[in-house]
Amino acid sequence: DTAVSQTPKYLVTQMGNDKSIKCEQNLGHDTMYWYKQDSKKFLKIMFSYNNKELIINETVPNRFSPKSPDKAHLNLHINSLELGDSAVYFCASSQDLLAGTYNEQFFGPGTRLTVL
Amino acid sequence: DQQVKQNSPSLSVQEGRISILNCDYTNSMFDYFLWYKKYPAEGPTFLISISSIKDKNEDGRFTVFLNKSAKHLSLHIVPSQPGDSAVYFCAASGGNKLVFGAGTILRVKS
Repeated sequence: DTAVSQTPKYLVTQMGNDKSIKCEQNLGHDTMYWYKQDSKKFLKIMFSYNNKELIINETVPNRFSPKSPDKAHLNLHINSLELGDSAVYFCASSQDLLAGTYNEQFFGPGTRLTVL
Repeated sequence: DQQVKQNSPSLSVQEGRISILNCDYTNSMFDYFLWYKKYPAEGPTFLISISSIKDKNEDGRFTVFLNKSAKHLSLHIVPSQPGDSAVYFCAASGGNKLVFGAGTILRVKS
């Protein structure tokens, strides 16, 4: 009974293509996130949404566009893929916004994106 | 400008001994700290946390210590078990987002 799921798990594509990664959580959480784990292994937040509203938008190229059709889903669309976009992308969710007590973030299994 | 640093990329410990994972931070506005554990091909899972008003939090074999003046926290695992072998991420928060370190790979040898 997966709490946070992502599809696909692996994605290999050519430069210049457009691709999407889907994320769904069945925890009833209000807040969802996208993180990128780059080659240096840091997990960096890209976006967060609370009740379908964009809350955090870190310095991310506008080729990346999150879309939240409802609070259980947060999809990530990437246009004109570049080599540097190769990374593992993690979706996460939490009960609400504040990253504090009793508001731990639950992560999906990750999507490994390889751009050739 | 990494605000959360885990300077040891890896650590190897014998089963039954203590594992100590370290984390340093630079932002004095951080008020909540967490440790996450990650197995290969899985997402990170929450392990233990500590508020800045405390200096120690314990949960079973896991204890997190916070030294605010040194901007340093550590995770102690006693006794270490082979199943503890994973990547451990330190994270800090000052509001509505977490800032993660690069992780430390822990290997517990049996």
